[in-house]
Parts: sequence; structure tokens; C-alpha cells
Amino acid sequence: AQSVTQLGSHVSVSEGALVLLRCNYSSSVPPYLFWYVQYPNQGLQLLLKYTSAATLVKGINGFEAEFKKSETSFHLTKPSAHMSDAAEYFCAVSPTPRGSTLGRLYFGRGTQLTVWP
Amino acid sequence: DTEVTQTPKHLVMGMTNKKSLKCEQHMGHRAMYWYKQKAKKPPELMFVYSYEKLSINESVPSRFSPECPNSSLLNLHLHALQPEDSALYLCASSLLQGGEQYFGPGTRLTVT
Repeated sequence: AQSVTQLGSHVSVSEGALVLLRCNYSSSVPPYLFWYVQYPNQGLQLLLKYTSAATLVKGINGFEAEFKKSETSFHLTKPSAHMSDAAEYFCAVSPTPRGSTLGRLYFGRGTQLTVWP
Repeated sequence: DTEVTQTPKHLVMGMTNKKSLKCEQHMGHRAMYWYKQKAKKPPELMFVYSYEKLSINESVPSRFSPECPNSSLLNLHLHALQPEDSALYLCASSLLQGGEQYFGPGTRLTVT
């Protein structure tokens, strides 16, 4: 079964500091990987995705993530945090090969990012 | 147009009411999804439609009834809900089933 682990349910950083949100997945075959952001009382917005092309993926709002197969990780980073980055972040996995899991996204439990002025 | 829209934004209903949630996308996507999200939790998949046919039903109680009238529209019909059904209901779409999903803003449902 697929599982996604997000280390740290809460992460706090100062404005301008590095943001690092951790995500590890369990799969013998590299899956498709996604990061979503959710602002209060809103839906999820796709930040970036990994679908077996470049291992360093750039997304919106200055975020990027690196796929590391040897570590089964897909950590999200941003060099300099902004107040507007405060939100809930979800890592998600779409398994490959697809078969009966086609269309299923397996989400991590989420990481709440707080940015201090 | 890269937007998934959902109406209504908020809904309060009694346990004997019948109501419907609506989701619309005009991106030419052929897969559409319903999710339920409780506070401080990730979304939980409820239903998947692919080419207007129900593809996945995650053993959702029959008081939730999905409908996909055409490739742009997805409804969720609600009847005899329970207070524990109160949640944020999210709709999503993807070009094809299994592709990256784009979410709508959600409907905040409260069952009294």
C-alpha cells in the first residue's frame, strides 16, 4: 500500500529564512509526486509535480522540490520565506504502474507553515 | 480558463433535507473527482468520474449520490445527511484519470 509521510505537522520560520518541508513516500516503483498548498477556507492549489522527468522540479511562488529515489524523498524548499507563504502544505503520491489505483492521490497528513515577521 | 468552480460556497442543511453541490470546469478535462475534507486533515477521495462514467466509488454511504451530466459538470446530491458529514467538499478535475488534479475552492457543508 502507498503511504506518504510528512515529517513535522508544524514548521515555523522567520520571513526571509529558508523553507524546508519534508516528504517521504513508500513505493518500490517511483510514483508521480505532487505538492499542494491550501490557504484557509480554500481549495488545494498545485504547487509542483514530479512525473519522471527532471529530478529538480520548479513550481509556482518560488518553490522547488527535488526527487531523490535513493532516499524515497520529495522535499519542498523555498530560499526565502514570505508572509504570504503561511498555509497548509500537502505532499501527494499517485502510484505507478496505475492499474486499479489510477486516479487515486495518497496524501500526507499535511504541514502547517507559519512565517514570523 | 484554468479554473474549477463550485457552488454554493456555504451550505447549511438539516438532516431531512435534500440538497446538491455543483462543480464545473471548462478546461476540457475528462476526469472529475469529489473529495471530503475534515478540519486539519488531508482530503479523502469519494468518487471519480472518467469520461462521464463512474470509475471509483470509495464505499461512500448512499446518502451521497454523484452525477456527471456532461464532461464539464459534476454534481453531488445529498439526502438525509448526518452531523458527522459536516466538512469541506472539494471537487477536482484532471485531463485524464491519473493526471495532476486541479481543485475547486470547495463547499463548506454544515449539517444540523
